[in-house]
Amino acid sequence: NAGVTQTPKFRILKIGQSMTLQCTQDMNHNYMYWYRQDPGMGLKLIYYSVGAGITDKGEVPNGYNVSRSTTEDFPLRLELAAPSQTSVYFCASRGDRYLQPQHFGDGTRLSIL
Amino acid sequence: DAKTTQPPSMDCAEGRAANLPCNHSTISGNEYVYWYRQIHSQGPQYIIHGLKNNETNEMASLIITEDRKSSTLILPHATLRDTAVYYCIDNTNAGKSTFGDGTTLTVKP
Repeated sequence: NAGVTQTPKFRILKIGQSMTLQCTQDMNHNYMYWYRQDPGMGLKLIYYSVGAGITDKGEVPNGYNVSRSTTEDFPLRLELAAPSQTSVYFCASRGDRYLQPQHFGDGTRLSIL
Repeated sequence: DAKTTQPPSMDCAEGRAANLPCNHSTISGNEYVYWYRQIHSQGPQYIIHGLKNNETNEMASLIITEDRKSSTLILPHATLRDTAVYYCIDNTNAGKSTFGDGTTLTVKP
């Protein structure tokens, strides 16, 4: 059982480039989340989704976009990379049953130079 | 902004109980208390959750005060592998969670 899988694990981008961080889960979870974590800090919610076709903004959505065309996949798009987006990005999912905890992926470490 | 308040760091001797406090000053009636931990730079791992009663599982115990404004996570016999950042969060079933900066627990030999 793979759980939550994030790709790539590491990436270096130049300022102004774009990329998509991939997240897929095999647990048939409707709830999915994207967080960013800056060095020495906690996690900040970027976007989340409560099911296919439904997404909503979190605390820090500016500079990012998401889509949710399937239950399994929740990609995060950076359109114009900026140095302030250098961070570790975590994807998580949660089951529908009441009060289920979140399951996290191993993260994508992104540097923008 | 995070809804919970935790001390930035704590130390604990190996084999002793680690007691990690959390203040939930704005918790509402339908919000549960969840605890997660993050080892090194891995993704956070769920530990335990509760509403108002004390809870225990194979990893830890959770004590929630009667007014629900504070909670304590207890690791009964801390090991070196319990060194991690511990997060407490208030969460409804809607699932939108706010993580603060957590408490860095260092278990020392």
